[in-house]
Amino acid sequence: TQLLEQSPQFLSIQEGENLTVYCNSSSVFSSLQWYRQEPGEGPVLLVTVVTGGEVKKLKRLTFQFGDARKDSSLHITAAQPGDTGLYLCAGAGGSGNTGKLIFGQGTTLQVKP
Amino acid sequence: DTAVSQTPKYLVTQMGNDKSIKCEQNLGHDTMYWYKQDSKKFLKIMFSYNNKELIINETVPNRFSPKSPDKAHLNLHINSLELGDSAVYFCASSRGLGTQYFGPGTRLLVL
Repeated sequence: TQLLEQSPQFLSIQEGENLTVYCNSSSVFSSLQWYRQEPGEGPVLLVTVVTGGEVKKLKRLTFQFGDARKDSSLHITAAQPGDTGLYLCAGAGGSGNTGKLIFGQGTTLQVKP
Repeated sequence: DTAVSQTPKYLVTQMGNDKSIKCEQNLGHDTMYWYKQDSKKFLKIMFSYNNKELIINETVPNRFSPKSPDKAHLNLHINSLELGDSAVYFCASSRGLGTQYFGPGTRLLVL
């Protein structure tokens, strides 16, 4: 069974601080996705990383896929209150490649002004 | 225009009842999914359909029955509702195995 361990589960920081969220697995994924979910809404895709070692940047957010494609990290620089939300990592490419996404437990981020 | 829409947004019902949740997408996608998000925010796939054909059927009680009348719709019918069914149910759609777009969710509370 493929599992994704996401940490930390909760993070409360002050505006301007940096933070990193980790997503780890013992399984290899063909791609890994990061989503952000706001209260009362569905998850929205932020980025997909496909190649081992790949780094993608989205403004103040930096996403990295591990060399072995088993882990990923999300780093936010100078966090803003608008970054508050639930961040989810999801791995794709299980057996049969059916489009099934395996989600981590999520990281609830609160950025205080 | 809402890309993936779900109705109802909130559903409060008694144990033992039967209820349906509807999902529609106007993105022209051929694949649709149902996910369940529990009280700890853990999101888990339940079913997926591609061109009205069942592709993913996770270990879900057979009280849950998805129905896809056409490529743009995927409904979820739940029989004999139990307390543990309380959760947020999300519909999603994609073009093939591409990016999945999620609906706003249906908050189900079983009393």
